[in-house]
Amino acid sequence: AQKITQTQPGMFVQEKEAVTLDCTYDTSDPSYGLFWYKQPSSGEMIFLIYQGSYDQQNATEGRYSLNFQKARKSANLVISASQLGDSAMYFCAMREGLAAGNMLTFGGGTRLMVKP
Amino acid sequence: DAGVIQSPRHEVTEMGQEVTLRCKPISGHDYLFWYRQTMMRGLELLIYFNNNVPIDDSGMPEDRFSAKMPNASFSTLKIQPSEPRDSAVYFCASSSPPPTEAFFGQGTRLTVV
Repeated sequence: AQKITQTQPGMFVQEKEAVTLDCTYDTSDPSYGLFWYKQPSSGEMIFLIYQGSYDQQNATEGRYSLNFQKARKSANLVISASQLGDSAMYFCAMREGLAAGNMLTFGGGTRLMVKP
Repeated sequence: DAGVIQSPRHEVTEMGQEVTLRCKPISGHDYLFWYRQTMMRGLELLIYFNNNVPIDDSGMPEDRFSAKMPNASFSTLKIQPSEPRDSAVYFCASSSPPPTEAFFGQGTRLTVV
């Protein structure tokens, strides 16, 4: 079974609108972390936001927020007020446990395209 | 801090040649990871180190791949001999112990012809 599933290969959003990128995960470890990374066309991996399994509140970082629904095992990324520079690939990733450091398993990614 | 530094950024080599990719992690980070990104397989972990010691190399595809971390500020990933199917983007990442984020380098785009 896939540990991280991103069901949206590609999405369009109108500039200045909000968009939600889906991510579901599968783990039996009670301690885990969920990450979102952005990969623009230049290729680098940019960390966006992190949610720990024991965190009570949803993580937020500027225009990024993580809609964490533990019972449903989902960790969707919400980008508010989309900008043209948000056009990129977005990857959801998971760390299971703590012993292996931040060894991450990645989803297949979602390509977001922001329309002017 | 300059972040995770990888070199070279691009490498084109002929099949059968030895390729060495280099990584300088962020100072103070205990963990170093090597990932490979391809269209077919996405991002996959190859190997990771903790305090310069290789911990899990189960993702290394074949014996042609080897990785070392001689000190806390330097790691190499070597492919010998290289094959066209090794063409990919190779990322190095480093982090402190969790829960913290992992920071990635710019990646090395390897093309084997």
